[in-house]
Amino acid sequence: DTAVSQTPKYLVTQMGNDKSIKCEQNLGHDTMYWYKQDSKKFLKIMFSYNNKELIINETVPNRFSPKSPDKAHLNLHINSLELGDSAVYFCASSPRGAAPSTDTQYFGPGTRLTVL
Amino acid sequence: GEDVEQSLFLSVREGDSSVINCTYTDSSSTYLYWYKQEPGAGLQLLTYIFSNMDMKQDQRLTVLLNKKDKHLSLRIADTQTGDSAIYFCAESIAGSARQLTFGSGTQLTVLP
Repeated sequence: DTAVSQTPKYLVTQMGNDKSIKCEQNLGHDTMYWYKQDSKKFLKIMFSYNNKELIINETVPNRFSPKSPDKAHLNLHINSLELGDSAVYFCASSPRGAAPSTDTQYFGPGTRLTVL
Repeated sequence: GEDVEQSLFLSVREGDSSVINCTYTDSSSTYLYWYKQEPGAGLQLLTYIFSNMDMKQDQRLTVLLNKKDKHLSLRIADTQTGDSAIYFCAESIAGSARQLTFGSGTQLTVLP
């Protein structure tokens, strides 16, 4: 019973390609997130999304776009991949309500993206 | 992140106590969190503390918060090899879109 799942676990691709990473949560949570973790393990929020609001970190290039077909899914599309996009991408989700429950984020296992 | 800072590495002997430190800059932080990341895995919430508390204990974990100095620490008693991981502190700030700002993570290595 995986709470937050991501596919694929590993993704190796050429520069310039377009790729997607899928995320699904079966926790009934309202908010989902995408994070990027670089080689130094630094973790940075990219997006947070619920059915009312998309919050985009202003440092995220517009080549990255989240797409949510339904409340349980938030996929990450990346266009024109660059070498610097190589990182581990984590999806997370959190429930509705008051803190701290809304801050208790449940993370997926990560997708290691390597751009050649 | 630039707003939350941690030392990068910590090594301790098995059975000793570990203390992982974190400083944050935003005084409007409402909750502060500790997450653990084991190799090849996502982050897992360990514990959290509300900003009007000084201390919280949860089994082997003790969280201390010095709000005046904006300093947060996580003490792990009787550290075990299974505690080896990266530990992230994070802060949340009340607002319409609640988000977490993570520190850079501290790699804890437990030596036998």
